Amino acid sequence: DGGITQSPKYLFRKEGQNVTLSCEQNLNHDAMYWYRQDPGQGLRLIYYSQIVNDFQKGDIAEGYSVSREKKESFPLTVTSAQKNPTAFYLCASSRLAGVFDNEQFFGPGTRLTVL
Amino acid sequence: GENVEQHPSTLSVQEGDSAVIKCTYSDSASNYFPWYKQELGKRPQLIIDIRSNVGEKKDQRIAVTLNKTAKHFSLHITETQPEDSAVYFCAASKASGGYQKVTFGTGTKLQVIP
Repeated sequence: DGGITQSPKYLFRKEGQNVTLSCEQNLNHDAMYWYRQDPGQGLRLIYYSQIVNDFQKGDIAEGYSVSREKKESFPLTVTSAQKNPTAFYLCASSRLAGVFDNEQFFGPGTRLTVL
Repeated sequence: GENVEQHPSTLSVQEGDSAVIKCTYSDSASNYFPWYKQELGKRPQLIIDIRSNVGEKKDQRIAVTLNKTAKHFSLHITETQPEDSAVYFCAASKASGGYQKVTFGTGTKLQVIP
């Protein structure tokens, strides 16, 4: 079953704790992305990666960190420095890096709630 | 940076009627405009896209138009059905610094009333 997966589906975190969201793809896509989705605000880019061991900050990277040690994996850590982390997080991938017209394939998302 | 505005934020239509969602963008370098549909509790999925060298594209009941001069593009759904009910996102994309920079609109919640 090919595609992009995220885990867990729901995540609860206490204030002051770091938490890591998993994103895996078996599509052999070069580029991977993390977006945050809040009601009425669309999808905002957190981080993106074009290649293994390389990643760049998106529009709202503060309080987040990522790694890209394997082509198929792009985990996102939400740190305690993120002031308002409760949101729906979407991971996406696209086939080629640096191409303007790639379709982005999305994972099912992780809903993070800070208690 | 790019700014994409999307209207309306909510839209209710009777089954069988047409629905139109409009978006504007600010960066003239954007040259690819995808539309994604997100059903309740599901992931966004691409439904149609258009490149800047094309003015209109149609796929069965859905069509997209692009006016590069005015920097706006629209999604048209004809003969709407209840399964069209979802949130629709427009986006503007360009190649920037060696990667694909995609900026999304804020979404339109479409409700098709049977």
